[in-house]
Amino acid sequence: QTVVTQEPSVSVSPGGTVTLTCGLSSGSVSTNYYPSWYQQNPGQAPRTLISTTNTRSSGVPDRFSGSILGNKAALTITGAQADDESVYYCAFFMPSISWVFGGGTKLTVL
Amino acid sequence: QVELQESGPGLVKPSETLSLTCSVSGVSISSSIYYWGWIRQSPGKGLEWIAIIYYSGNTYHNPSLRSRVTISVDTSKNQFSLRLTSVTAADTAVYYCATIPWYYYYMGVWGKGATVTVSS
Repeated sequence: QTVVTQEPSVSVSPGGTVTLTCGLSSGSVSTNYYPSWYQQNPGQAPRTLISTTNTRSSGVPDRFSGSILGNKAALTITGAQADDESVYYCAFFMPSISWVFGGGTKLTVL
Repeated sequence: QVELQESGPGLVKPSETLSLTCSVSGVSISSSIYYWGWIRQSPGKGLEWIAIIYYSGNTYHNPSLRSRVTISVDTSKNQFSLRLTSVTAADTAVYYCATIPWYYYYMGVWGKGATVTVSS
C-alpha cells in the first residue's frame, strides 16, 4: 500500500519562505503522479491550491508555487502571511486510477 | 461558477447504509471534462478518496472500500450519489463531493461537506 509522507508541522516567520514536501513510499515523485496541493482551515472544506505539479488554481496568490524537488513534490510559500496558517495536504494520482493523500502539514506562521 | 452541495442524513446506525447526494450547479454533470468524486475525512484525520464517476456511468473506486461503495449519477437532476453499506463507527466522517477535471487528475471544486455520524 502506497504511503504519502508530509512533515507533520512546520513553522515560518511572517514574510519568510517555507517549503513543504510530499514523498511517496514507492519511490521518487515525478510529474506522472500529477501532484496536487490543498489548503484546509478548521471547519472548512479543502481549497485547491496547485494541480499537475505547478499550476495554480484560479484566485490562488502567486506566493504559492509547486515543484518537484529531488524525489518529492514541494509546495513553496514565498512571503508567508498570517492567513497562510493552515493545514496543507498533497495528493498523488496513481496509475491504477486512484488517489492517495498525505497526512497533512500544519503550518504555523509566527 | 461551479458549485457543489452535499446532502443526506447526518446520523446513520451501525450496519445500515449511508446515502449522500451531491447537487451540482453552474455546469452540466454531463460535461465531458469532469469526473465527479467523493472524498471523506474522519475526525481529526486526513483525506481519503472514495470513488469517482463519469456522466456515462464509468466508475473507479478505492479498493479498500470497493465492496461497500456504490456511486451513481442522475443526469436529469444534475446530481450524483454515494451509498456506503454496512457502516461502522469508522465511517464517521465529513464527506465531500468534488469535481475531477479529467486528464489533470485532481480535486478541483469541493462542496462544503456533509458530516455523517455512525451511532446507534
